[in-house]
Amino acid sequence: GAVVSQHPSRVICKSGTSVKIECRSLDFQATTMFWYRQFPKQSLMLMATSNEGSKATYEQGVEKDKFLINHASLTLSTLTVTSAHPEDSSFYICSATEGNTGYGYTFGSGTRLTVV
Amino acid sequence: AQSVTQLDSQVPVFEEAPVELRCNYSSSVSVYLFWYVQYPNQGLQLLLKYLSGSTLVKGINGFEAEFNKSQTSFHLRKPSVHISDTAEYFCAEFKAAGNKLTFGGGTRVLVKP
Repeated sequence: GAVVSQHPSRVICKSGTSVKIECRSLDFQATTMFWYRQFPKQSLMLMATSNEGSKATYEQGVEKDKFLINHASLTLSTLTVTSAHPEDSSFYICSATEGNTGYGYTFGSGTRLTVV
Repeated sequence: AQSVTQLDSQVPVFEEAPVELRCNYSSSVSVYLFWYVQYPNQGLQLLLKYLSGSTLVKGINGFEAEFNKSQTSFHLRKPSVHISDTAEYFCAEFKAAGNKLTFGGGTRVLVKP
C-alpha cells in the first residue's frame, strides 16, 4: 500500500530558530500534499494544500510567511516553521494523495515540535 | 459551522463490550466519508471508507460503519473491543470543492479491563 514517510518524528528547537519537516511519498507520486496541525486532544486543522510545482494554498488564518511550504517534486513536500516560538509547539501531520480522487489519502506519522 | 460532528468527545467502554461512535455530516450532495484511528503520537490510519454502494461498510480490526443518508450519519461500531482499541477516532468527509478532508472533533475511546 501507499506509504508516506514524515521526518523527523520529534524535534526540539530554541525560540527564534527555524525547523524543517519533510514529507515523502515512498511508493507513489503525490500530486497533492496536505499539512495539518493538531493541538493536544483536538482534531486536525488543515494548514495548507500544496501541489507539485506550484505555490501552496493556505487556509484562512495561517501565516504563509511563518509556515513555508515547498512541494518541489512529486515525492517530497517540506514545511518550514520560521522563527519558531513556543506557541508553534504542536503536532504536525502531512498527508498525500495521487490525484483528486477523494479517497486516496495517506498520512505520515506526524512530527512533534517543541519550541523552548 | 462544522460540517462533521462527532457527538461524543470521550467514550469509556469495558473490554469485550460493544462500542458505537457517532458521526454526523452535513453535505447534501454526493459524499465520501471516512473513519480514521490515531494512536498516541502517531499519524492517522484509515479504518474504513464509504464512497458509494452498500451502506454497510466493513473495515479493518473488526470495525464497521453504516451510511445513513436520511439521518446524515456514519456511525462506527465494533461488537467487541480490545484494550488495543484505546485510541482517538476521527470521522472525516471529503469535499470535492477544494479537494480536502474535513475532520470531526474526534472521539477518545478508552477501553477498560
